Amino acid sequence: GQQLNQSPQSMFIQEGEDVSMNCTSSSIFNTWLWYKQDPGEGPVLLIALYKAGELTSNGRLTAQFGITRKDSFLNISASIPSDVGIYFCAGQTQGGSEKLVFGKGTKLTVNP
Amino acid sequence: NAGVTQTPKFRILKIGQSMTLQCTQDMNHNYMYWYRQDPGMGLKLIYYSVGAGITDKGEVPNGYNVSRSTTEDFPLRLELAAPSQTSVYFCASRVPEVEKLFFGSGTQLSVL
Repeated sequence: GQQLNQSPQSMFIQEGEDVSMNCTSSSIFNTWLWYKQDPGEGPVLLIALYKAGELTSNGRLTAQFGITRKDSFLNISASIPSDVGIYFCAGQTQGGSEKLVFGKGTKLTVNP
Repeated sequence: NAGVTQTPKFRILKIGQSMTLQCTQDMNHNYMYWYRQDPGMGLKLIYYSVGAGITDKGEVPNGYNVSRSTTEDFPLRLELAAPSQTSVYFCASRVPEVEKLFFGSGTQLSVL
């Protein structure tokens, strides 16, 4: 089946630093989604991207839909302790969420 | 609104036992999903439903069953628990028109 390669697997940063993570695939996707999972909770949608080249922001978070439609990037600026968690990318081809493919996640630790 | 509610939060089963993981949502969402999350892995789709009376297999359905008798409820049944089913299980829902999934807080299941 389709697979997403999400990197890095984990990051340890200092509060105030910027963070970048990405997802790549050998398949083309029509939608890219970025979710965040807090410890002991379910994932929560951060940003949804629907067009190649699209750049979307949500507060300190910015995500981009790659031009090739095979990758996506998430940046977090000026990190704060509550940014701690696991960030998942998810790609979707045509159809509904039953076609959604999740990356393995990037675990982010922010040291105050 | 409570959103998506899962019970129980934790459960330990012996090999061969059966149990039902409960999921209910109060958002009148037609679409509901069951995922499992193994350590260091992304979410894998077990079963999904696009409405009451309609269910379909996802990527990893073996060993599980579901039913959807009402819009609100989507229980997941394990008939003969196996150690390979040790995982965290997430239920999610959404409306057909928007790709945003709303997740419950998960059920952590151990099969020993």
